[in-house]
Amino acid sequence: QVQLQESGPRLVKPSETLSLTCTVSEDSISNYFWTWLRQSPGKGLEWIGYIHYTGSTSYNPSLKNRVSMSVNRSKNQFSMRLTFVTAADTAIYYCARSRITFIRGVMAPNWFDPWGQGTLVTVSS
Amino acid sequence: DVQMTQSPSSLSASLGDRVTISCQASQDIGTYLNWYQQRPGKAPHLLIYEASNLETGVPSRFSGSGSGTDFSLTIGSLEPEDVATYYCQQYHHLPLTFGAGTSVEVK
Repeated sequence: QVQLQESGPRLVKPSETLSLTCTVSEDSISNYFWTWLRQSPGKGLEWIGYIHYTGSTSYNPSLKNRVSMSVNRSKNQFSMRLTFVTAADTAIYYCARSRITFIRGVMAPNWFDPWGQGTLVTVSS
Repeated sequence: DVQMTQSPSSLSASLGDRVTISCQASQDIGTYLNWYQQRPGKAPHLLIYEASNLETGVPSRFSGSGSGTDFSLTIGSLEPEDVATYYCQQYHHLPLTFGAGTSVEVK
């Protein structure tokens, strides 16, 4: 049964970069979209973006070009970086798998299953 | 962005009650709608995909319906383990968006 596990620093200083990695076990990172989401009390669940195993990405415009994602197929991992963080970026960050569907002829993610357990990242000096 | 509006934001029901949660999209999303359950302190997990398809392993008391802009999640007979927050999510348009959640409690 596929499992996902987030890892990375739990405390990040304002204006610095938040970096997280998700390790995928019991499944290959190929043939799916790999997604980052976050959950904060003020904004609920928010989709951050996804990366396809080929390296193609799509990000939420709300993050204003601060986010980037990468995939390491040899380690079965994918990662995200969020630059210039503020207190508003304090949240539980989740990684998740999305299967691929086609909507209006374009490859797209559908639902998130499974999810990692989540990791709370606090932005504070 | 497609706005997802859930109602009610919270509800309290008795064990055995039939519970219905609504989700309305700000534009037509066909049946590109999923439902998740999040128990306290846990990650969300998938209940219903593509509006009405029950995920493997999910009890049959859960059901989903709707298309276009109006959707609903029904718990046929509330059980103690159903205490959780429920979220809808659309995947018809990027960015993928969620409803604000409906918290279900037992009276």
